[in-house]
Amino acid sequence: EDQVTQSPEALRLQEGESSSLNCSYTVSGLRGLFWYRQDPGKGPEFLFTLYSAGEEKEKERLKATLTKKESFLHITAPKPEDSATYLCATASYNNNDMRFGAGTRLTVKP
Amino acid sequence: KAGVTQTPRYLIKTRGQQVTLSCSPISGHRSVSWYQQTPGQGLQFLFEYFSETQRNKGNFPGRFSGRQFSNSRSEMNVSTLELGDSALYLCASSLGQGDYEQYFGPGTRLTVT
Repeated sequence: EDQVTQSPEALRLQEGESSSLNCSYTVSGLRGLFWYRQDPGKGPEFLFTLYSAGEEKEKERLKATLTKKESFLHITAPKPEDSATYLCATASYNNNDMRFGAGTRLTVKP
Repeated sequence: KAGVTQTPRYLIKTRGQQVTLSCSPISGHRSVSWYQQTPGQGLQFLFEYFSETQRNKGNFPGRFSGRQFSNSRSEMNVSTLELGDSALYLCASSLGQGDYEQYFGPGTRLTVT
């Protein structure tokens, strides 16, 4: 069965302290891997789509990378406004639905 | 461009009742997907609608149903509510069927008492 696992569950950083979030997946026929950011009380906000191993995408302080087994969301010099839950999700050619991980709750302290 | 809108934002219902939630997608988006989000299970896919037809369905009981109108607006219905149906129900729109670059609405917070 397709699975998406995110680690760590929670991460506390000091402002400026770079780190990475992990998303491990076992999906047959990966169609795409997606990263979203979710703030409390709001719907997820689309960040990136990655389609193939070796692909990288960047947006401001965020950079997403993809291998055949996992994806990383690198956060460089984070700011308090980067505090949110980051979700990754996969889509498969075999079953058409999106499978979400449980998320990593990121807190950046000033 | 206006984002995805969902109504109502908050709802309190009693066990056994039914509820209808509404979603208006981004203008030009023709696919609408529904998700249930709970602290224990996270985000789970309910169903996807495109061109007024259900294209894909998640693993939820038949009490959960939906429909899409010709203007791409969508509704989902939950009948015979159970306490475990308390959740944030999210709607997401995308340009076409199977387009996974989805844009989410703010959600409807349903509480079943």
